[in-house]
Amino acid sequence: KAGVTQTPRYLIKTRGQQVTLSCSPISGHRSVSWYQQTPGQGLQFLFEYFSETQRNKGNFPGRFSGRQFSNSRSEMNVSTLELGDSALYLCASSFLEVGGQETQYFGPGTRLLVL
Amino acid sequence: QKEVEQDPGPLSVPEGAIVSLNCTYSNSAFQYFMWYRQYSRKGPELLMYTYSSGNKEDGRFTAQVDKSSKYISLFIRDSQPSDSATYLCAMSAWPGGSYIPTFGRGTSLIVHP
Repeated sequence: KAGVTQTPRYLIKTRGQQVTLSCSPISGHRSVSWYQQTPGQGLQFLFEYFSETQRNKGNFPGRFSGRQFSNSRSEMNVSTLELGDSALYLCASSFLEVGGQETQYFGPGTRLLVL
Repeated sequence: QKEVEQDPGPLSVPEGAIVSLNCTYSNSAFQYFMWYRQYSRKGPELLMYTYSSGNKEDGRFTAQVDKSSKYISLFIRDSQPSDSATYLCAMSAWPGGSYIPTFGRGTSLIVHP
């Protein structure tokens, strides 16, 4: 079974630009979550999509947005980039196992550098 | 005070040692506890998860949860150089549905031959 894929893997942008990152979950997984990982703040939850609906949202400004398509693929968008947005952006897909345990699998991430 | 505290290390041990990695937390609503391993330039990989207080074993790994003390641990027996990675604890108030994990900052582990 293929894992979670993220594109692009590396990206360099300048302040003020916008960026769109893509995530393809594991086949059959309907939940996709996005995280930001930085040395200063660690791994922080951005938002989660389930069946094309945003189900949960972390504490990030409105410049960060996302969406999920009918095939469960997801995109996240960051508008008006700031230097502090430089980070590893991770996508994870998950499913609810029998018994209620949520099993989550991460992609390799997109490393974004804002200059 | 952060909701989840984790010593960043680095923790350096010789091959074959028993490793103890720990996290403390302040939110008593956390019920679901996870440990991830993250190699350099890779995404985190789920190692173990548990709901309840007590121990859960999987091969060389043992996860321990003490809800009364708000303290969780991951033990690695017979550590190998391939175990060198950053280990992140994570916890959530609910395992399914509204799953929003809160992560520790991660502990860097170095196992030297």
